[in-house]
Amino acid sequence: DSGVTQTPKHLITATGQRVTLRCSPRSGDLSVYWYQQSLDQGLQFLIQYYNGEERAKGNILERFSAQQFPDLHSELNLSSLELGDSALYFCASSASGSYYNEQFFGPGTRLTVL
Amino acid sequence: GENVEQHPSTLSVQEGDSAVIKCTYSDSASNYFPWYKQELGKGPQLIIDIRSNVGEKKDQRIAVTLNKTAKHFSLHITETQPEDSAVYFCAASIRGGSNYKLTFGKGTLLTVNP
Repeated sequence: DSGVTQTPKHLITATGQRVTLRCSPRSGDLSVYWYQQSLDQGLQFLIQYYNGEERAKGNILERFSAQQFPDLHSELNLSSLELGDSALYFCASSASGSYYNEQFFGPGTRLTVL
Repeated sequence: GENVEQHPSTLSVQEGDSAVIKCTYSDSASNYFPWYKQELGKGPQLIIDIRSNVGEKKDQRIAVTLNKTAKHFSLHITETQPEDSAVYFCAASIRGGSNYKLTFGKGTLLTVNP
């Protein structure tokens, strides 16, 4: 158990809908990262937050947004969902925003868009 | 942006044999190279990492080597055991100011046969 929690574990929804994925980092960790894992694209970095502020952006679509709250939990919002958004979404946390800090991954949320 | 190629995509070995997974990266500014292990139904877990100022690092049965000139790095697992069976991902991190992001390889499915 990495100490990172993600809810829900599974999510099934329809095209065009909007969903919110939630992540609670390990106790004391200030940075949260979101990743998308799919068979064709592999594991892709989406976005990083550090202590409530956006720190780095990866291949995140404009239909996706995220935020980190004062209690350091984070939410990833996916809107106007398409079939291709079906994937595993992982949240990871680290103690700080330094590039060499170990990232601890949560168990993931499996999103299925029908 | 950074591109990380990983080979092979699948690797099957007998228990006790060694396993080697290789990765190449494209951006010479990349300076941190972690390796992750992902077991079925779980998130990736860091197993070893290396920074660009180091050529080799060992941790018990696991070692990583880095050749900055050739822009490639490798994971070596000796005396493999069935519990080493998993998907292994290499990654490269490039730092830009206070920001950085990890770019992952597509993964290697390692199967250790008893």
